[in-house]
Amino acid sequence: GAVVSQHPSRVICKSGTSVKIECRSLDFQATTMFWYRQFPKQSLMLMATSNEGSKATYEQGVEKDKFLINHASLTLSTLTVTSAHPEDSSFYICSARPGQGDGQPQHFGDGTRLSIL
Amino acid sequence: GQNIDQPTEMTATEGAIVQINCTYQTSGFNGLFWYQQHAGEAPTFLSYNVLDGLEEKGRFSSFLSRSKGYSYLLLKELQMKDSASYLCAVLDSNYQLIWGAGTKLIIKP
Repeated sequence: GAVVSQHPSRVICKSGTSVKIECRSLDFQATTMFWYRQFPKQSLMLMATSNEGSKATYEQGVEKDKFLINHASLTLSTLTVTSAHPEDSSFYICSARPGQGDGQPQHFGDGTRLSIL
Repeated sequence: GQNIDQPTEMTATEGAIVQINCTYQTSGFNGLFWYQQHAGEAPTFLSYNVLDGLEEKGRFSSFLSRSKGYSYLLLKELQMKDSASYLCAVLDSNYQLIWGAGTKLIIKP
């Protein structure tokens, strides 16, 4: 089945640091990838849709300059949390879907737990 | 607006059956997904329904009624490892996935 790899799985760093998270589709090409954030005991929140070869589409309330997204190829999207602060601590999850048609589920990476001290 | 409703939390007993309901109002419909998410982990795909009726997959079944905007996930022979959150998500007319808040299922011995 479709596999999505996300790295790193956990990051602990000081306030003000920038953190890059990678999301790769291992056995399929993904023109679109999705970045989610999930705070403890809350539901998934879509942050942005990453489009290969074009700018990402951000959800309302998500700062474009803070959460930089680069979809460099059909198998790789990166999310960079710039100048991270403690309130950015969260569980970040990427997903990708093979194709656009019906019945294609999103497959999720294992997530990145970000802790800003 | 678009809305997906599912119960916040449910409790069931090991070995029993539980039904988790999901109702939706979305702009268009291109299918409904159920995902399982264990605490601290990413969601994993369980089922997909686009036509009315029941889809059975082992201990898990998913039902859809498009006219009622309603789905349920049925879990049989519950095991302790089934304790997790179950997320209902609908693919709208733009193929955007609209997520429910999830139902936390607690299994008791």
